[in-house]
Amino acid sequence: QVQLQESGPGLVKPSQTLSLTCTVSGGSISSGDYYWSWIRQPPGKGLEWIGYIYYSGSTYYNPSLKSRVTISVDTSKNQFSLKLSSVTAADTAVYYCAMGGAPGAPLDYWGQGTLVTVSS
Amino acid sequence: QSVLTQPPSASGTPGQRVTISCSGSSSNIGSNTVNWYQQLPGTAPKLLIYSNNQRPSGVPDRFSGSKSGTSASLAISGLQSEDEADYYCAAWDDSLNAHWVFGGGTKLTVL
Repeated sequence: QVQLQESGPGLVKPSQTLSLTCTVSGGSISSGDYYWSWIRQPPGKGLEWIGYIYYSGSTYYNPSLKSRVTISVDTSKNQFSLKLSSVTAADTAVYYCAMGGAPGAPLDYWGQGTLVTVSS
Repeated sequence: QSVLTQPPSASGTPGQRVTISCSGSSSNIGSNTVNWYQQLPGTAPKLLIYSNNQRPSGVPDRFSGSKSGTSASLAISGLQSEDEADYYCAAWDDSLNAHWVFGGGTKLTVL
C-alpha cells in the first residue's frame, strides 16, 4: 500500500515562502499511474485543494492560489513538493499530500498531514 | 463558504441509518462524479466512496453513495460508534476556473 509523508517547517513568518515535501513509499511517482496532490485544512475548518502534479512535471493549481503556488516533482527521490509564497495568517493550516486528484479521479491515499503556522 | 453544501451536523443511535446530503450545481455534481471522505478525529481524511457509489477495498458495505442531478447523498446503515467522524463530499468543478471543490463537512455524532 502506498504511504505518503509530509515534511517541512512547522512555523513560517508572514510574507515568507512555505515549503513542504511529500515522500512517497510503496509506489513510484514515475509509474505515471496517478497524479499527486496537495490539500490543506485550516484549524477547525474544511478542506481546500491546492493543486496537483504529474510525474512529467505537468501541474494544475487551484485558481484562487495559482499566483502564489508552485508544485514540483523529484522522481529520483520519489518526492513532490509545495511552495506557497507571500504567506499570511490565513495560510495557517494542516497541509496534506495525497495520491490522486486528476479531474474526476479520487484522492486515494493521504499523508498524515503537517501543521504549518504562519506567525512572526 | 464552500461550493458544495452539506449540513454541518448529523446524528443517530447505534444500529440506525443516517444520510448526509451534498448539494452542488451543474458545473460540479451535475457534470462530474462525487467522492466522499471520512475524517476520524485527529486523523487525515480517508477515501470512503468514489465515482458516486463505489467503495474502495476495505470499506464496509454499510456505507453507500448515490447521486441525482446536482445533489448527492452518503448513507450509513447499521450505525456504529466508530463511525463518529467528519464527512466531506467532493467533485471536480468544470467552471471557468476549474478545480476540485469540497463540501464544508458534516460532523456525525453517534448518540
